[in-house]
Amino acid sequence: GNSVTQMEGPVTLSEEAFLTINCTYTATGYPSLFWYVQYPGEGLQLLLKATKADDKGSNKGFEATYRKETTSFHLEKGSVQVSDSAVYFCALSDFQGAQKLVFGQGTRLTINP
Amino acid sequence: GAGVSQSPSNKVTEKGKDVELRCDPISGHTALYWYRQRLGQGLEFLIYFQGNSAPDKSGLPSDRFSAERTGESVSTLTIQRTQQEDSAVYLCASSLMTSGEQFFGPGTRLTVL
Repeated sequence: GNSVTQMEGPVTLSEEAFLTINCTYTATGYPSLFWYVQYPGEGLQLLLKATKADDKGSNKGFEATYRKETTSFHLEKGSVQVSDSAVYFCALSDFQGAQKLVFGQGTRLTINP
Repeated sequence: GAGVSQSPSNKVTEKGKDVELRCDPISGHTALYWYRQRLGQGLEFLIYFQGNSAPDKSGLPSDRFSAERTGESVSTLTIQRTQQEDSAVYLCASSLMTSGEQFFGPGTRLTVL
């Protein structure tokens, strides 16, 4: 079945550091790929998405490129801020009917000032 | 406007008791999803509603779990004869249509003693 594997956390960085959170997936066909973020005390929010190979999703300085050849969708940001501290989830859509999402286990990111 | 709301935010129950978890989706959203997040794991899909019908119940872990939706609005997830392994955060999401972005509620944290 479909699955998502993402970089285990927790990840701790200093402010202005470069961030990469790895995500790889297994799926048949051509899923859509997502990054969700959960800030402390808040619900999951969609951060960015890509719906086909070579698409780049971007939002709030974060980027991720849909790489079909490596089945990856790594999340990157050039200069992180304290306010980026959150749990990040990589996900893919189950396109066989409803858009039910298959999630990775989440990566907790802490940014120190 | 109001987002997805869930109640209660926390529920502690004794093994063997029944519990009901409530989700109020965003008004006008036709699709509604339930997910479960166990400690340290990603979200697992449980069930999906399109309107008041549930075409995909494939994620319900056992016949102790059931869900209904009325008036294309509120949904209730019921767990009968709770077990300790049912302890998790139960998340609800809604979307305008099945292919649309899912908006998540804050979740209900269920603890079974």
